[in-house]
Amino acid sequence: EVQLVESGGGLIQSGGSLRLSCAASGFSVSGNYMSWVRQAPGKGLEWVSVVYSDNRAYYADSVRGRFTISIDNSKNTLYLQMNSLRAEDTAMYFCAREVVGYSFDYWGQGTLVSVSS
Amino acid sequence: QSALTQPRSVSGSPGQSVTISCTGTSSDVGRYNYVSWYQQHPGKAPKFIMYDVSKRPSGVPDRFSGSKSGNTASLTISGLQPEDEAEYYCCSYVGSYSVVFGGGTKLTVL
Repeated sequence: EVQLVESGGGLIQSGGSLRLSCAASGFSVSGNYMSWVRQAPGKGLEWVSVVYSDNRAYYADSVRGRFTISIDNSKNTLYLQMNSLRAEDTAMYFCAREVVGYSFDYWGQGTLVSVSS
Repeated sequence: QSALTQPRSVSGSPGQSVTISCTGTSSDVGRYNYVSWYQQHPGKAPKFIMYDVSKRPSGVPDRFSGSKSGNTASLTISGLQPEDEAEYYCCSYVGSYSVVFGGGTKLTVL
């Protein structure tokens, strides 16, 4: 059974850093495309970043230069290193597996990041 | 990249059909047949219900169907059931390995 479990969220001051983790089971993250999608409180979904199996990574304009996506094959885990955090980064962060047609078939339950100004 | 435009809310009675629109531009919805749809119940993770405009993932009832015309994609839910009440999001590829989501539509089953 495919499962994604995020962790690492919390309350952080503006300008601080946080690293989110997404532990995968039931499939290999290294053989798949993996993404982060966030949702601000009461708002819609916003794509954040994707990493491909060849380690190419792409970012939304709103986080490029501040966030870094990566994979640890030995732990079958996806990460999101978030630096220079801003109040507008406050959101629930979901990891998701990207499949055919740039769609997302499996999602984690999310981890909440709150940035205080 | 601006979010795709969805109606804030739609409603229908059990057994009826509703259609949720998702309007983009000639650079996203109009250019690529890579539109997907997600259902999200309150406090839950999104659920994958449509991809490549009109293809249903395994396990999604055929009451759900998708289509596209020009810069607008649509999700139609027929034979509405109480459990269909949720927020629905469309998503489109926009090039450069990036996607954009719609603002979401709240479906109320009356």
